[in-house]
Amino acid sequence: NAGVTQTPKFRILKIGQSMTLQCTQDMNHNYMYWYRQDPGMGLKLIYYSVGAGITDKGEVPNGYNVSRSTTEDFPLRLELAAPSQTSVYFCASKRDRQSNQPQHFGDGTRLSIL
Amino acid sequence: RKEVEQDPGPFNVPEGATVAFNCTYSNSASQSFFWYRQDCRKEPKLLMSVYSSGNEDGRFTAQLNRASQYISLLIRDSKLSDSATYLCVVPRPSNTGKLIFGQGTTLQVKP
Repeated sequence: NAGVTQTPKFRILKIGQSMTLQCTQDMNHNYMYWYRQDPGMGLKLIYYSVGAGITDKGEVPNGYNVSRSTTEDFPLRLELAAPSQTSVYFCASKRDRQSNQPQHFGDGTRLSIL
Repeated sequence: RKEVEQDPGPFNVPEGATVAFNCTYSNSASQSFFWYRQDCRKEPKLLMSVYSSGNEDGRFTAQLNRASQYISLLIRDSKLSDSATYLCVVPRPSNTGKLIFGQGTTLQVKP
């Protein structure tokens, strides 16, 4: 019963490098989300997806890209890493659009850009 | 008025105390609410869902007052392990499943 799995758990990148944060869920959830959380701050939505092949921007999409080719996977891509992208990244999923369904979170990727 | 507002605290209480957090929301059409718990630099974890007037789960009781548009979380017999930030969360009224997070209330339970 894995739920939402994120890899890697930790990563240090140099400025200008690129990487993909992986997120997969085994609950057959249609809706998936990427958040970032800076120290002492709240969660900010980067991108979300309401189903395979459908993605949309959240509050802070600049510098990121996503894809959703399958129901299970929702990778987040950083193309040109910048120090401002140092943060903890959480992926979450939700069964459907019903408001009484909560989001379930992965345990995060801690990313440092140096 | 903020969409979801919480007292950030911190609330410092001794073990065994009863503590209550309030949360107000602005959209009177909201039907469902959630309390999440977040430990330092960990992921938010669902604590309780609140649909009707409220519900209880062990030492935790959530209450909903639709007329005044607030939700409360009551923790009885506080444990050291209850120390965390408690997030009041309201679904955004759309088809996207997006959530509106309160800024969180920090609880520190002391021996």
